[in-house]
Amino acid sequence: DTAVSQTPKYLVTQMGNDKSIKCEQNLGHDTMYWYKQDSKKFLKIMFSYNNKELIINETVPNRFSPKSPDKAHLNLHINSLELGDSAVYFCASSQGDRVRGTQYFGPGTRLLVL
Amino acid sequence: AQTVTQSQPEMSVQEAETVTLSCTYDTSESDYYLFWYKQPPSRQMILVIRQEAYKQQNATENRFSVNFQKAAKSFSLKISDSQLGDAAMYFCAYRRGGGGSNYKLTFGKGTLLTVNP
Repeated sequence: DTAVSQTPKYLVTQMGNDKSIKCEQNLGHDTMYWYKQDSKKFLKIMFSYNNKELIINETVPNRFSPKSPDKAHLNLHINSLELGDSAVYFCASSQGDRVRGTQYFGPGTRLLVL
Repeated sequence: AQTVTQSQPEMSVQEAETVTLSCTYDTSESDYYLFWYKQPPSRQMILVIRQEAYKQQNATENRFSVNFQKAAKSFSLKISDSQLGDAAMYFCAYRRGGGGSNYKLTFGKGTLLTVNP
């Protein structure tokens, strides 16, 4: 049973294209996140949704638009892809309260923009 | 803003030996949580261990234990009886406690651990 799943696992595309990454969690959590891991392996928060409401937006270009249709899903749509968007994107989920808030990660989506 | 520093970009250890990975952090908050995550070549992020700042007792999970020094803002990970499967990038991470719902993780830059047979 996969707790946090992402599709696709790999994405190769041309500059200027639009692409989406999907994330689903079956842990019953109310908070979901997108993190970006750059080529130097540094991980940084992009967005967080709590009960479908946007909580964190960390100065991410507005070409990136997250969407949470329900608590179990958080998708990431990227418009006009640029070379610098090449990275691994991780989805994570947690139960948002202070005590139980350990975050569990999906397998990551490796995006390569050519 | 909180920062997390891992001063060892790379470490190596012989199989069955013990290794300690260092992590320091900076925060003005008193309620927070610290984590170690492991990222093997498969790139999956795996939770290794978690420590609540309000607990004085150091967390342990089988061969993994931490040395949490709250006053020094230090949170090191000790891996005992190292195994080949422990080879991975290890990330130290900080998460605030308190109320609200902004519980993002702030990560260090990682330490790449090599286990030699």
